[in-house]
Amino acid sequence: EPEVTQTPSHQVTQMGQEVILRCVPISNHLYFYWYRQILGQKVEFLVSFYNNEISEKSEIFDDQFSVERPDGSNFTLKIRSTKLEDSAMYFCASNADRGDTQYFGPGTRLTVL
Amino acid sequence: GIQVEQSPPDLILQEGANSTLRCNFSDSVNNLQWFHQNPWGQLINLFYIPSGTKQNGRLSATTVATERYSLLYISSSQTTDSGVYFCAVEGNFGNEKLTFGTGTRLTIIP
Repeated sequence: EPEVTQTPSHQVTQMGQEVILRCVPISNHLYFYWYRQILGQKVEFLVSFYNNEISEKSEIFDDQFSVERPDGSNFTLKIRSTKLEDSAMYFCASNADRGDTQYFGPGTRLTVL
Repeated sequence: GIQVEQSPPDLILQEGANSTLRCNFSDSVNNLQWFHQNPWGQLINLFYIPSGTKQNGRLSATTVATERYSLLYISSSQTTDSGVYFCAVEGNFGNEKLTFGTGTRLTIIP
């Protein structure tokens, strides 16, 4: 069964450093998402992406964040200058159409020191 | 935006017991999914169920869209069922994002 993959599984970085989290969505999917989950809290929406542009973003997704689909398979989340409060699990998801099942990757656990 | 509430927040049961988890949402939805978050933090898709009833082994789910709630049933609980169960909905406003509830933490005691 096709699945969403994410790399790395764990990332440790120093405050102020840039990080790029990578995702490979399911190949025939058209809608892509990033969510995050701070330890012990619920999962929160960050951004959705369709037709090579952001379709919606949350208030969390400020100027420090950006997303890109650099080629036909990867979908990346960049945090330009990490803060301690960016420490969280970051999930990538994709689906074929609005309202369809969203399939989640296994997550990248980001720790900012 | 759409509000999602889950109950109970915590549930502790003996192995073999049955459980019912509830998800209430504040508006009509295009999509409703139930997830199990395992001890490694992965979100495991259990059901895609914007309406109706589905069953998968010991798990089943029912969504009554007109009354804006969904129920997840777990029968004959096993210790591997422990973890956090999340309900997530996509509102019927043309946005694609999922809004998650705060989850139910289920602990199954041997």
